[in-house]
Amino acid sequence: DTAVSQTPKYLVTQMGNDKSIKCEQNLGHDTMYWYKQDSKKFLKIMFSYNNKELIINETVPNRFSPKSPDKAHLNLHINSLELGDSAVYFCASSQATGTSGGDTQYFGPGTRLTVL
Amino acid sequence: AQSVTQPDIHITVSEGASLELRCNYSYGATPYLFWYVQSPGQGLQLLLKYFSGDTLVQGIKGFEAEFKRSQSSFNLRKPSVHWSDAAEYFCAVGAEGRRALTFGSGTRLQVQP
Repeated sequence: DTAVSQTPKYLVTQMGNDKSIKCEQNLGHDTMYWYKQDSKKFLKIMFSYNNKELIINETVPNRFSPKSPDKAHLNLHINSLELGDSAVYFCASSQATGTSGGDTQYFGPGTRLTVL
Repeated sequence: AQSVTQPDIHITVSEGASLELRCNYSYGATPYLFWYVQSPGQGLQLLLKYFSGDTLVQGIKGFEAEFKRSQSSFNLRKPSVHWSDAAEYFCAVGAEGRRALTFGSGTRLQVQP
C-alpha cells in the first residue's frame, strides 16, 4: 500500500506546454509539500500546504500553481514549460505536531520532468 | 535562515568497512535534524532524526548519527557497510515554525566489493 504516490513517474514534453503532476497520500496527514530536485541532486522546497491552505511559497515562478482539493491530494500545474523546469519533482506529506519543523516528512517516488 | 553543508560530494568505501558521512548545519536555535537516503530512481527514505534528548540517535538499517552542538554537526555513521547501502544521502534541517526542510547537497556513497 503506497503511502505517498505521484503520477506520472516520467513526463516528457515540449517547451511552452502546460502539464500537471498529481500527488496523493493515504497516511491521513494534514500537511503536504512539493520539492524540486535539480540535475545536481539539490532539493529545494517549492510549496507547503497545511489543511489545504498554502503556507509556504518559496519564490517559485507563478507559472507553477499548486492546488489542494482535499487534505489527501496536492497537485502541481505548470504553465508554459521552460527548459529550466526539467527536474525531478517530489511530493511529501507529514502530520503536523507541535514542533512543525520537526515533523517527519514522507516522500513520494518523484516525477522526472523533461522539457525539450 | 538555516543551511546545511555536506562537504563530501562522493565517498567510496569497501564492503564491510565503517562509514561516516559529514553534515554541518547553520541555525540560531536548537535544530531538528534528519538524514534521508535516496536509492537510484527512488524517493527519499528517512533513516533517522534528532530534535531533543540523547545526542546519539539510532536509525534504520544499522545507521546512527551524533548531534554535536559545539561543532554544529550531525554526522551519520555505520560500523559495517553493505553493498545495498550504495545510494545518495541527504542531511536536512528543520526550523521551528517553518513547515519545510532545508537539505544539504547530498553525498553519493559507492560501495566496492
